[in-house]
Formats: sequence, C-alpha cells, structure tokens
Amino acid sequence: AQKVTQAQTEISVVEKEDVTLDCVYETRDTTYYLFWYKQPPSGELVFLIRRNSFDEQNEISGRYSWNFQKSTSSFNFTITASQVVDSAVYFCALGDGGATNKLIFGTGTLLAVQP
Amino acid sequence: DGGITQSPKYLFRKEGQNVTLSCEQNLNHDAMYWYRQDPGQGLRLIYYSQIVNDFQKGDIAEGYSVSREKKESFPLTVTSAQKNPTAFYLCASSGKDYQETQYFGPGTRLLVL
Repeated sequence: AQKVTQAQTEISVVEKEDVTLDCVYETRDTTYYLFWYKQPPSGELVFLIRRNSFDEQNEISGRYSWNFQKSTSSFNFTITASQVVDSAVYFCALGDGGATNKLIFGTGTLLAVQP
Repeated sequence: DGGITQSPKYLFRKEGQNVTLSCEQNLNHDAMYWYRQDPGQGLRLIYYSQIVNDFQKGDIAEGYSVSREKKESFPLTVTSAQKNPTAFYLCASSGKDYQETQYFGPGTRLLVL
C-alpha cells in the first residue's frame, strides 16, 4: 500500500535557525512523483516542489532545499535561516502512479518560527 | 490572473440539508479534484474528474456528489447522508498528463449548526 509518513507533528524553532522536515514514503511503483506543499494559516495549499523518482539530485531554491534518497525512501525538506513567514503546516505527498493522478498526503508538520 | 476560486469561504449546514460548494478554475486544466481535510490530518480525496462529463469516486465519496458540466467548474454537494461533514474542503486542478502538479484553491470551511 502507498503511504506517506511525516513523523514530526510539530516543530518550533527560533528565527534564523535551520530546520529539516522529514518525509518517508512507501510505494511499489518504479515511477512516481513526490511533492511538498505549504499551508499557511489562510488555509490554501501552496505548491513548493515536484520531484520525479528518477531524479535523485538534491534541489535548492533560495532558502529551501530538498534531499531525495530512494535508498531510504525519504524526501526531506530543509529551510535555512528560517523566518517567521515560514510558519505553516507543510505536507509531503506521493503521486499514486495510476491513472487518477491522485495524491497521497502525509499528516503534515506544523512549523512554528518564533521571532 | 489565473487561479482557482472557491466559494463560499464559510458555509453552515443544518441537519438534513444538502449544501453545494463551488469551485472554478481559469487555468485551462482538464483535471479537477475535491479533497477533505480534518484537523491534524492530511488531505483525503473525495472525487476527481479528468474530463468534462466524467468523474470518479475517490477514497471517501460516500455522502457527496459532484458534476462536471463545464471544464472550468466542479461543484461538490455535501448531502444529508454525510453524517460528519464538518471539515475544510479544498478543490484542486491539474493538467491531464501523468502526475502533473495539482494547484489548490483557498478552501471552504463547512460547519454544522
């Protein structure tokens, strides 16, 4: 069965600290996609990244970086020099690989960045 | 500006009442989705549609119904058969190709009176 686990329910850091959000997934598919979304207090999910299972290169976008490791089925997300505006719930999601394009979401990690 | 709109932002349902949540997109996307979010949980798929006049049940379709008469619109009706409708409902859309990124609307919060 396909599954996404975000074991960290809540994380609290002080501004300027680095923080890593963990994501572990399970799938039998050989081709799949992984996603990260941010949900600020307003509620709307904001797309952050989409990663193909064949591309294990780490990605960096400004203060954000992603570490994809197929050997450990993990797709972790790091925020460098966190800011108060980074406070949100972050979701990791796995594409189900079938015809539906359905996303399977983890339960999310609430990140609180204190000033 | 291209995007997804959902209305209303808040919706109150009385016992035995059907209510309809609106979702409109101007991204020219073929596929549209409805998800339900409960506190402390991830999103769960209710219904999805990959083309006009066609839709499929997701994981938790019982007590819900949808229609897809226009490419831009995918309304969700929460029927009286849904016994626990209080949740945050999110609509999304994407292109029709394999695992294209889904983009989400601002959501509708449904509360039961």
